[in-house]
Amino acid sequence: NAGVTQTPKFRVLKTGQSMTLLCAQDMNHEYMYWYRQDPGMGLRLIHYSVGEGTTAKGEVPDGYNVSRLKKQNFLLGLESAAPSQTSVYFCASSYPVAGGPETQYFGPGTRLLVL
Amino acid sequence: RKEVEQDPGPFNVPEGATVAFNCTYSNSASQSFFWYRQDCRKEPKLLMSVYSSGNEDGRFTAQLNRASQYISLLIRDSKLSDSATYLCVVTSGGSYIPTFGRGTSLIVHP
Repeated sequence: NAGVTQTPKFRVLKTGQSMTLLCAQDMNHEYMYWYRQDPGMGLRLIHYSVGEGTTAKGEVPDGYNVSRLKKQNFLLGLESAAPSQTSVYFCASSYPVAGGPETQYFGPGTRLLVL
Repeated sequence: RKEVEQDPGPFNVPEGATVAFNCTYSNSASQSFFWYRQDCRKEPKLLMSVYSSGNEDGRFTAQLNRASQYISLLIRDSKLSDSATYLCVVTSGGSYIPTFGRGTSLIVHP
């Protein structure tokens, strides 16, 4: 049981390049989330999904797109990377309890540097 | 006003000390409360859930005060390994989105 895994662990991009971050979970969780974490800013929600085939915007969605084609995978895309997207990206998953999410399980993070 | 507020610290305490953090939340409809721990450059991990009756796990005690809308975390007999950032998380009924505080930094020194 691997929990939540993220690929890649670290990436350097040039401004304008594109890339996709992959998040996979093997816990059969309904909910999945993408966060970014910057110094002094805490965790900020980019996009989330409450089930296969559904996605929704979070607090800071601009410049990112997501897809949830399979229940176990949640992809985060950067179409044209900008230096402001330099950050640590965390994926998380959870299951619903009484209409809301229970404990979140986080992946180890992806460190992205955009030059 | 942020939905979930924490004192960023750092709280700098000696080994063996007792330290307490508070976290205030603004949404009176909040129904789920958690404390997460995050080590430097690592992912957040659940430390403990916070129930209306309180919750104790070894040296850690979490309490909820709905009337004043805050939760607390008490750490007794601090260890060097307790050094980390502690994140308060609150979820409102019917919401899919947990709200994270920015975290409180704890440094335990010899």
